[in-house]
Amino acid sequence: DAGVIQSPRHEVTEMGQEVTLRCKPISGHDYLFWYRQTMMRGLELLIYFNNNVPIDDSGMPEDRFSAKMPNASFSTLKIQPSEPRDSAVYFCASSRTENTGELFFGEGSRLTVL
Amino acid sequence: AQSVTQLDSQVPVFEEAPVELRCNYSSSVSVYLFWYVQYPNQGLQLLLKYLSGSTLVKGINGFEAEFNKSQTSFHLRKPSVHISDTAEYFCAVILPSNDYKLSFGAGTTVTVRA
Repeated sequence: DAGVIQSPRHEVTEMGQEVTLRCKPISGHDYLFWYRQTMMRGLELLIYFNNNVPIDDSGMPEDRFSAKMPNASFSTLKIQPSEPRDSAVYFCASSRTENTGELFFGEGSRLTVL
Repeated sequence: AQSVTQLDSQVPVFEEAPVELRCNYSSSVSVYLFWYVQYPNQGLQLLLKYLSGSTLVKGINGFEAEFNKSQTSFHLRKPSVHISDTAEYFCAVILPSNDYKLSFGAGTTVTVRA
């Protein structure tokens, strides 16, 4: 079975540029999560969706960050404009309603903003 | 709100020796507890979970954890580690309600040496 698929795996960009990270959740999963991992702050939940609807975006750092889920098989996390402090590994994860807390993670997108 | 404390940031251990990773949580209500593992350059994957019932939980790769309500702990153990167990381990907690927000600890890096 295909797992959670994220792209790109690595992104290097310059400050001020727009960054778009993509995620394809596992088919049949109705929850999708975006996490950010840094050495300083560990794993932070940015936003999560249920049935394509954003449920909680209280972890989104600021207005430069936005996330969408236009359908059950695709989500994007966009940073515009990007800043060096956004450098991190961004993980997408999905799960099913009946399996609370059992998240399936993608391999992550490592973002470096110069 | 619930929180998770992992008491050890780094645990070096020799191959075939036992290992214990400590996790304490704080919550005013009952919670579900999880251990996740992250191998280098990969996403997290579920090792084991405690929802209810037996306080000793067995997971994948020979790991087990014991829920201790009086001590609010959920320590992870393995009787004999392998080089391949070198990874970062995360304890996590979630409320057994409609809140799907996993709270992760800061992580414990386990380095297994021959």
